[in-house]
Amino acid sequence: EAGVTQFPSHSVIEKGQTVTLRCDPISGHDNLYWYRRVMGKEIKFLLHFVKESKQDESGMPNNRFLAERTGGTYSTLKVQPAELEDSGVYFCASSQDTGMLTDTQYFGPGTRLTVL
Amino acid sequence: GIQVEQSPPDLILQEGANSTLRCNFSDSVNNLQWFHQNPWGQLINLFYIPSGTKQNGRLSATTVATERYSLLYISSSQTTDSGVYFCAREETSGSRLTFGEGTQLTVNP
Repeated sequence: EAGVTQFPSHSVIEKGQTVTLRCDPISGHDNLYWYRRVMGKEIKFLLHFVKESKQDESGMPNNRFLAERTGGTYSTLKVQPAELEDSGVYFCASSQDTGMLTDTQYFGPGTRLTVL
Repeated sequence: GIQVEQSPPDLILQEGANSTLRCNFSDSVNNLQWFHQNPWGQLINLFYIPSGTKQNGRLSATTVATERYSLLYISSSQTTDSGVYFCAREETSGSRLTFGEGTQLTVNP
């Protein structure tokens, strides 16, 4: 079974440009999460999709960040315009929704974003 | 909000040594996970352990939910164990994970 995949693995852009990150969750996982680790600090939650709906987007830092999950499969996270402080590693995770107990969140390899 | 604290923040070992990493959390546990971020930045699931003890090779983890802490044991450490170890807890079923700041482990040959 394929794990969570993310594209690209690395992205280097200049301040003010736009970048779109993609996440393909594990097949059949309804829950999809975005997290990021900035400047060597702790990993912080950005938002949570259940299928195509945004369950919790309270971690999104500002309106320069836009996440979508059309059709409830893959998700994209767009940063427009990018700022220097957006540099970091962006992780995507997915989990099943068993309706009873929590399932492990499986993380993708991350996208390392560098804004110059 | 829910606090997750890890200790120590940094740890340097010689190859072959054993170590214990600790994770304290401020509220009851619905889900607790341990991760290893390797030098390439990848975040690897180690354990899903809301309570009890689990073992996987040289690694084992114990969570005492009533006392709000979890421990990760690494035995006979190897250089490939180097990286950052994170613990994270889930606030409610299916919701966000709250991460600790991590323990930076360096294993020297």
